[in-house]
Amino acid sequence: NAGVTQTPKFQVLKTGQSMTLQCAQDMNHEYMSWYRQDPGMGLRLIHYSVGAGITDQGEVPNGYNVSRSTTEDFPLRLLSAAPSQTSVYFCASRKGQGNGELFFGEGSRLTVL
Amino acid sequence: AQKITQTQPGMFVQEKEAVTLDCTYDTSDPSYGLFWYKQPSSGEMIFLIYQGSYDQQNATEGRYSLNFQKARKSANLVISASQLGDSAMYFCAMRPFYGQNFVFGPGTRLSVLP
Repeated sequence: NAGVTQTPKFQVLKTGQSMTLQCAQDMNHEYMSWYRQDPGMGLRLIHYSVGAGITDQGEVPNGYNVSRSTTEDFPLRLLSAAPSQTSVYFCASRKGQGNGELFFGEGSRLTVL
Repeated sequence: AQKITQTQPGMFVQEKEAVTLDCTYDTSDPSYGLFWYKQPSSGEMIFLIYQGSYDQQNATEGRYSLNFQKARKSANLVISASQLGDSAMYFCAMRPFYGQNFVFGPGTRLSVLP
């Protein structure tokens, strides 16, 4: 059981470039989300989705886009990368109902020069 | 809005001793869940333990227990008999039962000394 799979694990971008972080889960979870982790700030929610076709903004959505065309996939797009987007990004999912925990991908370390 | 506070940026503990990592939370929701995650140096997020706000007893999972004091809005993680492999970042998180999203604290870095 693969769980939550994120790619790539590492990426270096130049300011202004665009890229997509991929996230896929095979647990049939309705809820999926993207977080960024910065030192001393914990994990901050970027965007989330409660099902295919439904997305919403989290705490720090600026500069990022998401879409959810299938239950399994939830890509995160950086439209025009900025050095402030240098961070570690986590995709996470959980069942839509109940009190279950978040299941995390392994993280993607992004550096914007 | 919810907020999680972890006041200990770093903690040291001697191997085989117990350690308590502090977590306080702020919410106006009557029902919520509290979670602890471990992040070792390899970077993955590992779920440790869960406590529901209406649970009468403190949660336990092996060497982990959650000291839940609802009136004080605290959910401290207790690790008994620390091991070198417990050295990691630890995050406290909360989700209201009728909300979708988790809120995380800034984390506490635990170092276990041999």
